[in-house]
Amino acid sequence: GENVEQHPSTLSVQEGDSAVIKCTYSDSASNYFPWYKQELGKGPQLIIDIRSNVGEKKDQRIAVTLNKTAKHFSLHITETQPEDSAVYFCATQKTSGSRLTFGEGTQLTVNP
Amino acid sequence: SAVISQKPSRDICQRGTSLTIQCQVDSQVTMMFWYRQQPGQSLTLIATANQGSEATYESGFVIDKFPISRPNLTFSTLTVSNMSPEDSSIYLCSVGTAYNEQFFGPGTRLTVL
Repeated sequence: GENVEQHPSTLSVQEGDSAVIKCTYSDSASNYFPWYKQELGKGPQLIIDIRSNVGEKKDQRIAVTLNKTAKHFSLHITETQPEDSAVYFCATQKTSGSRLTFGEGTQLTVNP
Repeated sequence: SAVISQKPSRDICQRGTSLTIQCQVDSQVTMMFWYRQQPGQSLTLIATANQGSEATYESGFVIDKFPISRPNLTFSTLTVSNMSPEDSSIYLCSVGTAYNEQFFGPGTRLTVL
């Protein structure tokens, strides 16, 4: 089955700096790659996603890049703010409606 | 995206008892899922809740321990049966769209003593 590895497990940055979280996956049939943000005491929130026919997608301060050949995708957050502090999860999916396989999560702390 | 609510939001239960968690969606959805998130861990899929038929369980999860109901396209329940402290987790329902996205409810935080 699919295996998703996520790095780093913890990341601490200064406010205004950039943060990058990287995930690698094993199943070349995966074609949908979402990122979730989970704040303390809340459910995961979908923040951005990318499909296999796209190499990069941007939404304001957040961007995701995908390298299908190398089987890795990354989340980039620019101009970080304290409210970006949360646990971030990457995930993969093979077909619409099928299971999501999650990475282990990254605890991001943005220091003011 | 759909608005998803879960009840209860948290509970503390005694070993050997059962708890039923409800998931309500504000619109009809085809795909509903139940996940478990153990303390400090990632999310693991328990089962897919199928409307009108038995749920589809992932490896390591069985119907006797986690019975699921899906009576219609807006509601599902997950029961955690004969609980032990190892069942202490966050239980999350999610709904899927035709465009791959999955949206999660707020979760039910369960502590088993």
